[in-house]
Amino acid sequence: LAKTTQPISMDSYEGQEVNITCSHNNIATNDYITWYQQFPSQGPRFIIQGYKTKVTNEVASLFIPADRKSSTLSLPRVSLSDTAVYYCLVGAAGGYQKVTFGTGTKLQVIP
Amino acid sequence: EAGVTQSPTHLIKTRGQQVTLRCSPISGHTSVYWYQQALGLGLQFLLWYDEGEERNRGNFPPRFSGRQFPNYSSELNVNALELEDSALYLCASSLQVRTAGELFFGEGSRLTVL
Repeated sequence: LAKTTQPISMDSYEGQEVNITCSHNNIATNDYITWYQQFPSQGPRFIIQGYKTKVTNEVASLFIPADRKSSTLSLPRVSLSDTAVYYCLVGAAGGYQKVTFGTGTKLQVIP
Repeated sequence: EAGVTQSPTHLIKTRGQQVTLRCSPISGHTSVYWYQQALGLGLQFLLWYDEGEERNRGNFPPRFSGRQFPNYSSELNVNALELEDSALYLCASSLQVRTAGELFFGEGSRLTVL
C-alpha cells in the first residue's frame, strides 16, 4: 500500500478556497486516490475518488498530475462546517489489502 | 437505505475485562473493516473480513479478534482489556468488487477502560 504524506494542519478563512495536497510517491499503476472527511467522534465520510487528471463532484475537486505522485483536494468557498480532518488514501481497485489511514490534515476554518 | 450500524455506542469497562463490539454493514456489502482511533490520533487498521474470512489484520496483539457471520455482520472481541485500549472503534463496509476507497463508516463504539 502506497504511503501518503499530508500537512498536519491548515487554517483558512470562511469563503476561501482550500487546497490540501497529498504526496504518494510510490503509487502503483492500479491504485486509486481517495479522500475522506472526519468530524470529531464520527466515522470518516467519503468525499471524492480519482485515478488521473481531474474529478469534480458537488462538494470538492480532485486534481491529479500526470505522474500521479501527488494529488490535491480542493474545497471551494469553505464554511465553518468544513472544519474537520481530511485523509488521503491510495489503494487498488477491487478492495484494499490493508486500508490504512494516515494522520490526515486538520483543517480549521476561521470566521 | 440503512448505513453501517454499530453497537453499543458507548461502554465503560475495567482492566482485564472482555468486550464485544458489533457491526452491521450496508445491505449487500461483503467486506467489513475494523479500525481503532485513540483520542486525537489517526485510524489504526485492525481487521478486514470478507465473505466470512479474515483477510488481513493490523499490528495488534492476538487479544484483538473478531469474526464475520454469514449475513456479513461482524463482531470485534477484545480480551484482557488494558487502559490503552480506550478508543473509538470504527467499523466500515464496502462492496469488494467496487473501486477502491468507497468505505462506508459507522458512527463507532466509544470504549473507555478504567
